[in-house]
Amino acid sequence: DIQMTQSPSTLSASVGDRITITCRASQTISTSLAWYQQKPGKPPKMLIFQASSLESGVPSRFSGSGSGTEFTLTISSLQPDDFATYYCQQYNSFSGTFGQGTKVEIK
Amino acid sequence: QVQLQESGPGLVKPSQTLFLTCTVSGGSFSYGYYWRWIRQPAGKGLEWIGHFSPTGSANYNPSLRSRVSVSVDTSKSQFSLKLTSVTAADAAVYYCARGKMNTVAVDSWGQGTLVTVSS
Repeated sequence: DIQMTQSPSTLSASVGDRITITCRASQTISTSLAWYQQKPGKPPKMLIFQASSLESGVPSRFSGSGSGTEFTLTISSLQPDDFATYYCQQYNSFSGTFGQGTKVEIK
Repeated sequence: QVQLQESGPGLVKPSQTLFLTCTVSGGSFSYGYYWRWIRQPAGKGLEWIGHFSPTGSANYNPSLRSRVSVSVDTSKSQFSLKLTSVTAADAAVYYCARGKMNTVAVDSWGQGTLVTVSS
């Protein structure tokens, strides 16, 4: 099955920082990649679909890029509401495996 | 706006069977989507359990295949999960979810239901 590896596992940052999270697939998945944000006690929320398409209502400070096996999620200017855990997910295969998550915490 | 709501017991004894139901409202419930079950152990990541596909077939995580089944009742706009022989490793928040368009990426989630496994 396709394995998804995110880095870093934890990221400490300050409000206003630009941050980047990386997701690598164990085999090529074209652009079949989604990014999610999860806050404690809540289900994940989709931010980005098809590697770079912003979901409706998601702030433009979020952006995604990549194709093949390497992908990135960038937050251009971190806001207080953005401290959360982020997951990538491949949907090239029907298992739809998730990365292990990246926790963005306050520095 | 589709809404999903999980229901079922919050406490299951070891070796028993877990049954969860997801009720879908506010949108179309049909075989045109992937209807998925995903779980998340406390403090850990997301694990796909199984789903009903747009073709009407069920697919399961290989690590759980021998113990899991998913069924659909379109007349009630519900889909269900059955997990047999539960152990402490099955304790988690269980989410039902709908795939976006014709994919297994999820654009609609239930709020999740916590399942504890204890005697």
